[in-house]
Amino acid sequence: KAGVTQTPRYLIKTRGQQVTLSCSPISGHRSVSWYQQTPGQGLQFLFEYFSETQRNKGNFPGRFSGRQFSNSRSEMNVSTLELGDSALYLCASSWTGANEQFFGPGTRLTVL
Amino acid sequence: TQLLEQSPQFLSIQEGENLTVYCNSSSVFSSLQWYRQEPGEGPVLLVTVVTGGEVKKLKRLTFQFGDARKDSSLHITAAQPGDTGLYLCAGASGSNYKLTFGKGTLLTVNP
Repeated sequence: KAGVTQTPRYLIKTRGQQVTLSCSPISGHRSVSWYQQTPGQGLQFLFEYFSETQRNKGNFPGRFSGRQFSNSRSEMNVSTLELGDSALYLCASSWTGANEQFFGPGTRLTVL
Repeated sequence: TQLLEQSPQFLSIQEGENLTVYCNSSSVFSSLQWYRQEPGEGPVLLVTVVTGGEVKKLKRLTFQFGDARKDSSLHITAAQPGDTGLYLCAGASGSNYKLTFGKGTLLTVNP
């Protein structure tokens, strides 16, 4: 069974630009969660989607948004990038949500 | 806001030594999970503990969930260089569909 895939793996953007990251969950998993990981803050929860509905959202500004498609694939978007948005963005899928999650390798975003 | 505090933050030991990593909170969790993350990769689930007082063993790794379901520990016996990585604990609460992660313990096992 294929694991969680994330594209792209690496991304370099400049301040003010926007970016879209993609996540394909494990087949059959309907829940997709997104996290931001930085050395100082660790893994911070962004949001979780289940069957195209956002069920929970972390404490991030509105510049961070996401969506989920009918095939459970998910995208997250960050608009008006700031230097502090540089991080590893991780996607995780699971059967129902906050149970055992399977992570993708992440997208390393660098904002210059 | 639920917080999980992990200690120690960094740990560097020699091959063959034993170690314990702690994960503490003032909040009750319905379950607690442990993950290991290697550089350039996403976290990989090691174990989930659900019942207060539960102990689970995974080869040389022993996981314990506190009786009150507020804390957990990970004990590694005879550590090996392959155990090197970032160990993360994560708590799940009720039906809010999110995991709260600790900041992790970075373990280095030197040959």
